[in-house]
Amino acid sequence: QSVLTQPPSTSGTPGQRVTISCSGSSSNIGSNSVDWYQHLPGTAPKLLIYTNNQRPSGVPDRFSGSKSGTSASLAISGLQSEDEADYYCAAWDDSLNGPVFGGGTKLTVL
Amino acid sequence: VPLLESGGGLAQSGGSLRLSCAASGFTFSNYAMHWVRQAPGKGLEWVSGISGSGASTYYGGSVKGRFTISRDNSKNTLYLQMNSLRAEDTAVYYCAKDKYVNLVGTNDYWGRGTLVTVSS
Repeated sequence: QSVLTQPPSTSGTPGQRVTISCSGSSSNIGSNSVDWYQHLPGTAPKLLIYTNNQRPSGVPDRFSGSKSGTSASLAISGLQSEDEADYYCAAWDDSLNGPVFGGGTKLTVL
Repeated sequence: VPLLESGGGLAQSGGSLRLSCAASGFTFSNYAMHWVRQAPGKGLEWVSGISGSGASTYYGGSVKGRFTISRDNSKNTLYLQMNSLRAEDTAVYYCAKDKYVNLVGTNDYWGRGTLVTVSS
């Protein structure tokens, strides 16, 4: 059971906007920033969003992040077939003294 | 920023393995490093982290007391010594670079992973 809670799956059609939620607690999301990773099986995970809403260079502005209280969300607009992947949220947990991940959300582009 | 893991393979339950991660393309000692694993069919799980200097180390609850993280900044290499291995340690182990010198957990670069299989 992951410390952060994400929906196991979501889907959308090309061009559509989808959002992925991430729920935590006061010891993690409530007091620390949230990161998002994109992971294709067999490849290295990729940092997509850091510090709640910052995009590393090279990440398209179709990807955006937000945080409110003990929850966060990742939005992907203008959905493309290459966005099909697993997405993970993560945050430092002050009680566990380490980063914790969500269980991951599998995005299917129909 | 290549990160290349090695050392994975098949181990017996109760046995040991040592993973290595060779880093290049950045000033290794300026950044904390982490090991993160993914068991078959499961999500990402943080295993351990170490500060840029190596002075501070942190472990996830499931590996504390069994795994030891270390680094050799002169060789730009990160290590994970895994002892008392269990079947539930079976996973792909990723080496990841933190964005900062102290552990924050924001991993801006990752390796492609090395598979560890523990047989009972």
